[in-house]
Amino acid sequence: DGGITQSPKYLFRKEGQNVTLSCEQNLNHDAMYWYRQDPGQGLRLIYYSQIVNDFQKGDIAEGYSVSREKKESFPLTVTSAQKNPTAFYLCASSAVHGISYEQYFGPGTRLTVT
Amino acid sequence: AQSVTQLGSHVSVSEGALVLLRCNYSSSVPPYLFWYVQYPNQGLQLLLKYTTGATLVKGINGFEAEFKKSETSFHLTKPSAHMSDAAEYFCAVAGDSGYSTLTFGKGTMLLVSP
Repeated sequence: DGGITQSPKYLFRKEGQNVTLSCEQNLNHDAMYWYRQDPGQGLRLIYYSQIVNDFQKGDIAEGYSVSREKKESFPLTVTSAQKNPTAFYLCASSAVHGISYEQYFGPGTRLTVT
Repeated sequence: AQSVTQLGSHVSVSEGALVLLRCNYSSSVPPYLFWYVQYPNQGLQLLLKYTTGATLVKGINGFEAEFKKSETSFHLTKPSAHMSDAAEYFCAVAGDSGYSTLTFGKGTMLLVSP
């Protein structure tokens, strides 16, 4: 089955540690996205990438970093510079050319930093 | 820049009653509009989308939405609520940037009582 996988489902870290969240897709989509979700805030875009080896900052990129070395993978690193990293993180992907910008979402990773 | 406003962070209905979730958008170009549903601790699933053509769009699980350009609205409806409809619903708009990014509303939690 085609889809997006995120691992792990739950992640716990100590304050001051960097942590990397995994996102893999086998939909052959060019574009991938990372969102942060907090209660009552909706989804806020962290980073997105439309092509391998290229990515752009979203609305809340501070304290996060990404890489896009392969089309199917778009890992997100939450650095120690992120002041409030505890949140639910969602990865998504979409085709870029010729259609309606519909995004497909992974199941999410809930990160808790104490 | 585009934006989305969802009126009401929580909407409560009885099972069998009409569901109406409101969404208003702003966009400087003809919009593409989406409704997504999210069950607890899961990713988002596309309910329906409007791109061009017919302004009344039918989606999964009996939901539909009508694009009204004059009112800049895209309200989501379902004639008869079911307990399984209890979830959070997000409206989103795309199209301004030329990229495939979406701007999401803050979400509306639908509560269904027996």
